[in-house]
Amino acid sequence: ELKVEQNPLFLSMQEGKNYTIYCNYSTTSDRLYWYRQDPGKSLESLFVLLSNGAVKQEGRLMASLDTKARLSTLHITAAVHDLSATYFCAVDMGVRGTYKYIFGTGTRLKVLA
Amino acid sequence: KAGVTQTPRYLIKTRGQQVTLSCSPISGHRSVSWYQQTPGQGLQFLFEYFSETQRNKGNFPGRFSGRQFSNSRSEMNVSTLELGDSALYLCASSLSGHPTDTQYFGPGTRLTVL
Repeated sequence: ELKVEQNPLFLSMQEGKNYTIYCNYSTTSDRLYWYRQDPGKSLESLFVLLSNGAVKQEGRLMASLDTKARLSTLHITAAVHDLSATYFCAVDMGVRGTYKYIFGTGTRLKVLA
Repeated sequence: KAGVTQTPRYLIKTRGQQVTLSCSPISGHRSVSWYQQTPGQGLQFLFEYFSETQRNKGNFPGRFSGRQFSNSRSEMNVSTLELGDSALYLCASSLSGHPTDTQYFGPGTRLTVL
C-alpha cells in the first residue's frame, strides 16, 4: 500500500523555538513536495525536492530529502506566529512518466506568542 | 498577474445530481491538476490535464471526469453525487506540469452534498 505518514499530527510550540516535522513514505520516489495551508484557505507550494540529499530553504523553513531512508524533514527555525498553519508533504509515486501524488495527513502547527 | 480562479466557490447539491466545477489557470500555464480534500480522506489527487489531454489520473471512480479547453481552462464533473463527495475541490496550475514546476492553487470550491 502506498502510504505517506507525517508526524507529529499536531504541534504546539513557543515562538523562538526550533522543531522538525517528519514525512515518511512507503515506496521509492525522488520527488517530494511540501505545502502550507492556512485555516479555511487553499494550498501554497513551499518546496520541491527532486533528488536524494536535496535541501531547500526559505526564510525560517528548511526542507530536506533522503530518498534512501524514504524520509523528508521540514525544519522550523526560531518559529514565529505567522508560521501557524497546516503543513502537508506529498510524494509522487508515479512510474513511467505518470503522476501519482500521495499526500501526507498534514501537521497542524500552532506557534504560541 | 491574476491567480488561479475557481467557480463557483460554494455549491450545495443533493444526492444523485451532477455538478460541474470550473478552473481558470494563470495565464500561460498549460497544466491543470485537480485535488479533493475531505476531513476523512485528506488530500487526494484526482487528475491532471495538459494541452486538452488527461495525462494522469488518481484512484477515483468514473463518476469523476474532467476536460480541458484550448485556452487551458478546465472543468471537473461529478455525476450521481454521493454524500461522500462533499469536499473542498482544489485546482492548481503550472507551466507545463513538469515535476520541477511550482503549482499555484486556486481558492477551491466547497461542495456540500445533502
